[in-house]
Amino acid sequence: EPEVTQTPSHQVTQMGQEVILRCVPISNHLYFYWYRQILGQKVEFLVSFYNNEISEKSEIFDDQFSVERPDGSNFTLKIRSTKLEDSAMYFCASSPLAGVDTDTQYFGPGTRLTVL
Amino acid sequence: RKEVEQDPGPFNVPEGATVAFNCTYSNSASQSFFWYRQDCRKEPKLLMSVYSSGNEDGRFTAQLNRASQYISLLIRDSKLSDSATYLCVVNPPPGNTGKLIFGQGTTLQVKP
Repeated sequence: EPEVTQTPSHQVTQMGQEVILRCVPISNHLYFYWYRQILGQKVEFLVSFYNNEISEKSEIFDDQFSVERPDGSNFTLKIRSTKLEDSAMYFCASSPLAGVDTDTQYFGPGTRLTVL
Repeated sequence: RKEVEQDPGPFNVPEGATVAFNCTYSNSASQSFFWYRQDCRKEPKLLMSVYSSGNEDGRFTAQLNRASQYISLLIRDSKLSDSATYLCVVNPPPGNTGKLIFGQGTTLQVKP
């Protein structure tokens, strides 16, 4: 069964450093997403991406964040200057369609980001 | 009012029990509704979509009440493997960006 993959599984970085989290969505999917979950809290939407552009972003997704689909398979989330409060599990997801009642988003296993 | 609100639990039930979870959502224009399951430190996985007519998948039944902005999940004949956090999830308007809003989750612990 096709699945979303993410690398690395755990990333430790120093405050102020740039990090890039990588995702390989399911191959025939057209919509891509990033979510985050701070330990003990709910899953929060960051951004959705379609046709090589952002279709919606949350208030969390400020100028420090960017997304890119550099080739036909990878989808990346960059945090330019990490802060302590960026420590969280980051989930990538993909779906074949959006806004359809029976649509399903498939989530990757996540990257745990620890900012020291 | 929170966008999606759930009783966090935990619900501790014996094997074989029937348990029900409830959820309310704030945006009456929301169109799509889901229950996801999340095991500890793992990714959310779709359990089932929720339709206005209600739907059933084996031991799991989901109901949607649009007038009350209320979603429910019923689990019959609980198994030890049902122990997890159950996430109520809503796709708010405009809907066509795929954004999902998650509730805090309800923790279920099924005991032998």
